[in-house]
Order: sequence, then C-alpha cells, then structure tokens
Amino acid sequence: DVKVTQSSRYLVKRTGEKVFLECVQDMDHENMFWYRQDPGLGLRLIYFSYDVKMKEKGDIPEGYSVSREKKERFSLILESASTNQTSMYLCASSFWSGGIDTQYFGPGTRLTVL
Amino acid sequence: SQQGEEDPQALSIQEGENATMNCSYKTSINNLQWYRQNSGRGLVHLILIRSNEREKHSGRLRVTLDTSKKSSSLLITASRAADTASYFCATVRPGANSKLTFGKGITLSVRP
Repeated sequence: DVKVTQSSRYLVKRTGEKVFLECVQDMDHENMFWYRQDPGLGLRLIYFSYDVKMKEKGDIPEGYSVSREKKERFSLILESASTNQTSMYLCASSFWSGGIDTQYFGPGTRLTVL
Repeated sequence: SQQGEEDPQALSIQEGENATMNCSYKTSINNLQWYRQNSGRGLVHLILIRSNEREKHSGRLRVTLDTSKKSSSLLITASRAADTASYFCATVRPGANSKLTFGKGITLSVRP
C-alpha cells in the first residue's frame, strides 16, 4: 500500500514564524502536491511538483514556497506565517499510468497560527 | 478556480438507504474522480471515470458521467454508518496531466 506521511498532525505557530511542513511518500511517485482545506472552500492546490527540483504554482501559491530535493520528500514552507494561513494542509502523491493517475493523500496537518 | 460543484452540500439518510450525490463541472475533462474523507483525515480515492465512459461500478459504488450536461453522480447503495464522511468530486482537464481540481464536498451522514 502507498503510504504518505506528514511530519505533524497538529502544529501551533506564532505570526511571523517560518514554518516547515514535511511530506514523505514511499512508492517512488513522480508527482507530489500540497493543498489547503478550509470549511466551505474545499481543497485548493498550493503547489505541485512533477519531478525532483521541479515545482509549479497551483491556484493559491501566495505566501508559500516549496522544496523537492529528493523524490520521496516534498516540503511546504511558510516564510512568515500569518493568521490567515491557519488551515488543514494536505499532501498527496501520484504517478501517471495508462493515461490517468489517482492521488494518495497523507493524514493532514492542522496548522494554527496565533 | 473551482471546477466541480457538488450537490447537495449535506445529506442525511438512514442506514440501508441509497445515497446519491451529484457533481457538476464547467469545462471539458479528461476524467472525473470521487474521493472520500473521514473526519479530520486525508482523502481516499474511491472511483475514476474517464470522459469516454458513461457508467462504472465498484462494490456498492456506482458512478455515472454525462459529458453533455457536464455532470456526474455517485450512488452508494445499502449505506452503512461507516459511510459517514465527506465526499469530493475532482476533475482532470485535458492536458492538465495529474492536476486535480476539487469541488467543495458533500457531507454524508448515515444514521444507524
């Protein structure tokens, strides 16, 4: 079974802090994604990566950056956390096969910025 | 931008009944997928239907796709309390490769 793990289930940070959210997948997937989930807004894509050292902006990249130095690890960075970044953050991975792919999600990190 | 819009936003049924959830989308798609999310957890893929397919089954799940109406429905038959979760449709546009666009989700409650 594919396993996607996230470094923390719950995280509390203060405004202005630099925050690192880590995601690791164990199935050698090429693609990795970061979403945030907010009530009434569903999942919104922040950044994604098709390969090591490659990244592409999603729908809401402002205030975030990412790093993918190894294939299995995709990090989301909040350079200076703000209260409006309080949210559930979900990481996912996938691979392209037969013209389609499906995403495998981690359990999520609930981040609170005070 | 949101591609899928689910309907209804919330659904409450009795155990054993069928649950039907609908999803509409705005542009052409390569495929449409349904995911389930148990409270406070990550999403789990349920079923995928390609744009050239009209219906697919997987266990108690049946998904249909009408590309002329840009809509899909997910039917869960003989529901169980364990089906209580949020359900999301997600679309993949042609040329968008792996990028999914999710709807806002439907909250399903199955009463024992």
